[in-house]
Amino acid sequence: YVLTQPPSVSVAPGKTATITCGGDNIGGKTVHWYQQKSGQAPVLVIYYDIERPSGIPERFSASNSGNTATLTISGVEAGDEADYYCQVWAGSDHPAWVFGGGTTLTVL
Amino acid sequence: QVQLVESGGGVVQPGRSLRLSCAGSGFTFSNSALLWVRQAPGKGLEWVATISHDGSNKYYTDSVRGPFSISRDNSKNTLYLEMSNLRAEDTAVYYCVKASDAYCGGDCFLVDWGQGTLVIVSS
Repeated sequence: YVLTQPPSVSVAPGKTATITCGGDNIGGKTVHWYQQKSGQAPVLVIYYDIERPSGIPERFSASNSGNTATLTISGVEAGDEADYYCQVWAGSDHPAWVFGGGTTLTVL
Repeated sequence: QVQLVESGGGVVQPGRSLRLSCAGSGFTFSNSALLWVRQAPGKGLEWVATISHDGSNKYYTDSVRGPFSISRDNSKNTLYLEMSNLRAEDTAVYYCVKASDAYCGGDCFLVDWGQGTLVIVSS
């Protein structure tokens, strides 16, 4: 199972960033999102398609339908600059935890 | 708070073996599935292996099935990754990851990550 993300997204401070994650009928799967800042370990920012862990700002939201899952960051701040990865669990007979290729968010 | 501390990385020659360890604290170690996820230099995240809370279920990505072995010692709160016949393509930061449930199937997500340990396979 393959997840496709755009390599990069750029946005001005205060604007809205949209990061997509494409996969065959991904709407039928549960998607999770991770943020990885430069030189740091990844951090969970969205789980179960739309849920935010405690400590993650409300500016982070997500959706999942059809062949595309989307992470939306409203009112982007300089501190949001990072790589973002979507992830799903794929397969019951041959389990695999699949990541998208990652999207680098640049705050202009 | 949850802490996952990896160790055992380093420089190793192709074809040799290495064992990574991950010490967990701040949570009930034996209740959580654990994973290894790696990241090659400048590349994205790649799942390597998963082990259920009691060690009864183990899964591997195709490229490491056979040479790599995941295990855990719940009495020591420690996760392991035995890596043999290492290749240059195994060069990466290896992260120890705590899953959201005991078996990490279906809707499981990756709750907490260690800081990683770097493995370099080079002659």
